[in-house]
Amino acid sequence: EADIYQTPRYLVIGTGKKITLECSQTMGHDKMYWYQQDPGMELHLIHYSYGVNSTEKGDLSSESTVSRIRTEHFPLTLESARPSHTSQYLCASSNSPGAGGLRGIQYFGAGTRLSVL
Amino acid sequence: GENVEQHPSTLSVQEGDSAVIKCTYSDSASNYFPWYKQELGKGPQLIIDIRSNVGEKKDQRIAVTLNKTAKHFSLHITETQPEDSAVYFCASNYNYGQNFVFGPGTRLSVLP
Repeated sequence: EADIYQTPRYLVIGTGKKITLECSQTMGHDKMYWYQQDPGMELHLIHYSYGVNSTEKGDLSSESTVSRIRTEHFPLTLESARPSHTSQYLCASSNSPGAGGLRGIQYFGAGTRLSVL
Repeated sequence: GENVEQHPSTLSVQEGDSAVIKCTYSDSASNYFPWYKQELGKGPQLIIDIRSNVGEKKDQRIAVTLNKTAKHFSLHITETQPEDSAVYFCASNYNYGQNFVFGPGTRLSVLP
């Protein structure tokens, strides 16, 4: 069982609200990721981080922002939510290649299902 | 960048039959290929992986095969059970292992 946690699991909010989706891992992994998953199943990488103070945009453009002030914490923020942001958001973490052991394997949280009305 | 294709997008099999999901990748430098299973309401979980120095790996009812020349790899599930019903994702590393790209997923339904 992976030690990566996302809160909240479900969130229904109105348009224009600011929200933060929380993601924390206790495995000491340096890399963390945010994916957006639509009902069509496909996983779209929207943000990732190589470590503290590192954030990069993923393959899919997103209006959300992320921060990485602590190794274990990688929150995602939407300043002004819109209905188009309705989706499932998945957080993951991994060791870097060469770190030994189960390097490169991504461990996923259970996800946050966001609905913007 | 790397591109991973996955087929089929949906697959229905009778309980006890075998299921095969195939993926192709484009980066010849890719050397690690994991498979993830996502059950309803959960995040994807690693079920099996293979590295480029082997051609096949097996774990009980699931196996993965890799053809580096053709750049494709496959997941094989034998004696399928209803609890195998889920969405399955293949993935491939690229950029010298720094990044991953996932296939679009296969929804497997095992009919009792």
